[in-house]
Amino acid sequence: DTGVSQDPRHKITKRGQNVTFRCDPISEHNRLYWYRQTLGQGPEFLTYFQNEAQLEKSRLLSDRFSAERPKGSFSTLEIQRTEQGDSAMYLCASSWVDGGTSPLHFGNGTRLTVT
Amino acid sequence: GQNIDQPTEMTATEGAIVQINCTYQTSGFNGLFWYQQHAGEAPTFLSYNVLDGLEEKGRFSSFLSRSKGYSYLLLKELQMKDSASYLCAVRDGNDYKLSFGAGTTVTVRA
Repeated sequence: DTGVSQDPRHKITKRGQNVTFRCDPISEHNRLYWYRQTLGQGPEFLTYFQNEAQLEKSRLLSDRFSAERPKGSFSTLEIQRTEQGDSAMYLCASSWVDGGTSPLHFGNGTRLTVT
Repeated sequence: GQNIDQPTEMTATEGAIVQINCTYQTSGFNGLFWYQQHAGEAPTFLSYNVLDGLEEKGRFSSFLSRSKGYSYLLLKELQMKDSASYLCAVRDGNDYKLSFGAGTTVTVRA
């Protein structure tokens, strides 16, 4: 078990460009979450999947954001027409559904800088 | 929704004890988690409480009072490597996502 992995670790892009991030969860976990974290703040929930189904999306997730989890394995988060306010650390986490006791296991994140 | 409050910063001396408080208001409750996050790294899971009382794990202990909407994380025998941000997170009763507080930055001084 190599843990949750995210790619890339860093992404610098110009305003208006599209970016896509990838997350590979722990293999036996069926839940996958995306969070966003800015400096000095805790992670903010964006969306989560159970297997391939996207079960909830935060109001923070504007129409420019889309997430997928085809085949219930890895997930991608795409941001279209990036804005400077999108600059943040994007964290992916996974967990096992077991009645609520299972913690989230986080990846090291993708740091996005929009110039 | 969730409202989770914890102090912004705390400073303590190596070898000492520090207690980080967390208060929460939630429409439902299905557990409280503490995470440690070093600068530039992922949050890592420390502890979980769902029933009232104290859970002890080595130098770290976590306490929960559901009636008061209150938890604390106790760090004993502080070491320099304990300098990090400590995040309190609550799991809603209706789903499995976690809502996080802003984190408490603990600085351990020699």
